[in-house]
Amino acid sequence: QVQLVQSGAEVKKPGSSVKVSCKASGGTFSSYAISWVRQAPGQGLEWMGGIIPIFGTANYAQKFQGRVTITADESTSTAYMELSSLRSEDTAVYYCARGYGDYVGLTYYYYYMDVWGKGTTVTVSS
Amino acid sequence: EIVMTQSPATLSVSPGERATLSCRASQSVSSNLAWYQQKPGQAPRLLIYGASTRATGIPARFSGSGSGTEFTLTISSLQSEDFAVYYCQQYNNWPPAFGPGTKVDIK
Repeated sequence: QVQLVQSGAEVKKPGSSVKVSCKASGGTFSSYAISWVRQAPGQGLEWMGGIIPIFGTANYAQKFQGRVTITADESTSTAYMELSSLRSEDTAVYYCARGYGDYVGLTYYYYYMDVWGKGTTVTVSS
Repeated sequence: EIVMTQSPATLSVSPGERATLSCRASQSVSSNLAWYQQKPGQAPRLLIYGASTRATGIPARFSGSGSGTEFTLTISSLQSEDFAVYYCQQYNNWPPAFGPGTKVDIK
């Protein structure tokens, strides 16, 4: 059964960047979609973007376009999410999740997510 | 973008009772809807996908129904481990979107 192991908690200054990793172990990685979902304290879930490692193609929610970069390294079964220009509102738990999806035309649609990492807490504070 | 709403925000239920949670989409999402359970300090857990298909290992007391814009998650007889927050998520349209959640707590 695949597990997603995320990197440890981070404390960052406003204006800086953070890069969170998500390593898959015990199962296949490349042919699934990897999504990044964040959850601010006491709030709900917010989909940020995702990547299909076998294609190397990343997609981002409009809210995060220009600030987030999602990459994947098939050789190490690891996905990364880098968020730049951090502000206090970015303080949240960031989850990676393995899921399913498919192309509809030229757009990759991210479906449901069945395996989740435990989350990485990112705190943005001066 | 599709907006998901859930009701009620909080549902107080006694153990052994039935819980019915609602999820509504701002436009049709066909049957492309999932439900997740999240307990404090834990990652979400997939319960239902395709509106009504239970994920692997999910007990039969969890059932999902609906299509189009109206969906329901039913927990037939609440167990102590079921008290949690439940989120719906549509994946029919881009981008995928979650509802705000329903908290099920002990009455």
